[in-house]
Amino acid sequence: EDQVTQSPEALRLQEGESSSLNCSYTVSGLRGLFWYRQDPGKGPEFLFTLYSAGEEKEKERLKATLTKKESFLHITAPKPEDSATYLCAVQASNTGNQFYFGTGTSLTVIP
Amino acid sequence: GAVVSQHPSRVICKSGTSVKIECRSLDFQATTMFWYRQFPKKSLMLMATSNEGSKATYEQGVEKDKFLINHASLTLSTLTVTSAHPEDSSFYICSAPNPSTAGEQYFGPGTRLTVT
Repeated sequence: EDQVTQSPEALRLQEGESSSLNCSYTVSGLRGLFWYRQDPGKGPEFLFTLYSAGEEKEKERLKATLTKKESFLHITAPKPEDSATYLCAVQASNTGNQFYFGTGTSLTVIP
Repeated sequence: GAVVSQHPSRVICKSGTSVKIECRSLDFQATTMFWYRQFPKKSLMLMATSNEGSKATYEQGVEKDKFLINHASLTLSTLTVTSAHPEDSSFYICSAPNPSTAGEQYFGPGTRLTVT
């Protein structure tokens, strides 16, 4: 059974304190792994797509990496405006365009 | 860039009534759209795949007679919650595949449904 698990469930960081969020997955043929940011009461906002193990993507203070079993979202020197829920989703080769989401990590960055 | 809109953004209805939520792709065509449900502090749960010109495909455990999906055109999918009850109160989000980038999805801003 395809599964996506994110950890930790919640994370509180001081401003400037770097950390990483984890997304572990088990799918039959990964087509893509996606990271989204979601603010309260809003739809997910696209961050990154990773397709193969060893791939890395960066955007401002965020960097996403991918292995055959998991993905990390590294946050370097976070700011309060980085506070949000970060969602990981996978797309498998046997499920068309469907996304299956992890439970998310709620990040709070304290000034 | 491509945008997906939803209407309404918030709706309050009485128990027993039906509510329609619209999902539109604003500057691209989508033969497939997806409907998700999200409970407070929880992740998105895929409810169904909306297919233009054919029947929607529902995920296991989702009542197709309760959540009616109509993909009327290449830019519009609607989700109708029939005979709504308080337990149907939730945040409903739709998405459509990015036609330019394989696998990527554009998400709508969501619709907050409250059934009293």
